[in-house]
Amino acid sequence: ELKVEQNPLFLSMQEGKNYTIYCNYSTTSDRLYWYRQDPGKSLESLFVLLSNGAVKQEGRLMASLDTKARLSTLHITAAVHDLSATYFCAVDKATSGSRLTFGEGTQLTVNP
Amino acid sequence: EAQVTQNPRYLITVTGKKLTVTCSQNMNHEYMSWYRQDPGLGLRQIYYSMNVEVTDKGDVPEGYKVSRKEKRNFPLILESPSPNQTSLYFCASKRQGGGTNEKLFFGSGTQLSVL
Repeated sequence: ELKVEQNPLFLSMQEGKNYTIYCNYSTTSDRLYWYRQDPGKSLESLFVLLSNGAVKQEGRLMASLDTKARLSTLHITAAVHDLSATYFCAVDKATSGSRLTFGEGTQLTVNP
Repeated sequence: EAQVTQNPRYLITVTGKKLTVTCSQNMNHEYMSWYRQDPGLGLRQIYYSMNVEVTDKGDVPEGYKVSRKEKRNFPLILESPSPNQTSLYFCASKRQGGGTNEKLFFGSGTQLSVL
């Protein structure tokens, strides 16, 4: 059974600081996704990582995938309050992006 | 505007009373899926569909049914709801075979309470 673990589950950080969220998964997969969810809202797709060594960046967020270590990271650079949200990683059990297993989510709070 | 539309947003019902949550997308996506979100558990996949008339079970299909008669619609049916199906439900869709453009688009969610 595929297990996806994120850590930390809760993260409080100051504006301007850097931090990394980790996503570990238990079985082989080459497809990993990151999503953002604001309180009371739906999920928004952030990154799609489809191969070992894939790196994607948008604004202050950068995601990477190491399939050999079964690890993805979401790095936050110079955090701002607008980044406060819950971040989920999801790993595909299949090869088509059809069978996603989500992590529990990391609730990020960025304080002024 | 490209979107996934779920209805209703909120629903309170009683045990055993059949209900349907509708989901429609206007992006001509092949793939559609249903998830439930519960505190501390993230999202769990209920059912998914790779195309019209093609559906398959996710991780937690018990107590749910789906159908995909048209490409744009993917309703979730609870034939006899029970309190353990109280949850926040999301429908999602995406284009198949799009590589790194395979982003999932989510609906706004349906908060279901079964009393």
